[in-house]
Amino acid sequence: QLQLQESGPGLVKPSETLSLTCTVSGGSISSSGYYWDWIRQPPGKGLEWVGNIYYSGSTYYNPSLKSRVTISVDTSKNQFSLRLSSVTAADTAVYYCARPLSQAFDVWGQGTMVTVSS
Amino acid sequence: SYELTQPPSVSVSPGQTASVTCSGDKLGDKYASWYQQKPGQSPVLVIYQDTKRPSGITDRFSGSNSGNTATLTISGTQAMDEADYYCQAWDSNTVVFGGGTKLTVL
Repeated sequence: QLQLQESGPGLVKPSETLSLTCTVSGGSISSSGYYWDWIRQPPGKGLEWVGNIYYSGSTYYNPSLKSRVTISVDTSKNQFSLRLSSVTAADTAVYYCARPLSQAFDVWGQGTMVTVSS
Repeated sequence: SYELTQPPSVSVSPGQTASVTCSGDKLGDKYASWYQQKPGQSPVLVIYQDTKRPSGITDRFSGSNSGNTATLTISGTQAMDEADYYCQAWDSNTVVFGGGTKLTVL
């Protein structure tokens, strides 16, 4: 059974870079045909797609975040990562990693809360 | 950029049918998915490819998508169905979510 687990600092200072990792277990991140995604949810608000990566390294990003987002993959560790630069309080959110199948997200991590504050 | 619009809230009496709509330009030409999210939990996929239910999802959940509107229908609504519901679609290699609908079972 595929499982995803987010990890990373829960507190980031304004203007710094947020870094999170998603560890995939129960399956290989290199499985062909799958993208691996990041989605976030500010407190009390809706879901916002951040971007995704294919195991080969090709990426797509939310146009509203594209200038600040980098998603990378480490197939040797079965992990993919998110970096979001120049963060502000508006980037405070629960960050989820998720795996899409048939254009829907059928597997989600438990989410990790990241607060941007000095 | 592509947008999906949902009503902020929907109320339903126990045992009745609830409908949650999601509107977007030519949404019927895309696949719509629906997620249920309860407080403090990760979203759960309840409908994908407009009408399909993942394994383990009750058949009280059904979906449709035509024209500019996708609809999630919950029949025989129960207290346990009270949650936030989000629609989602893909547009030009990007993912779009609706703003979410809070379903209240009165």
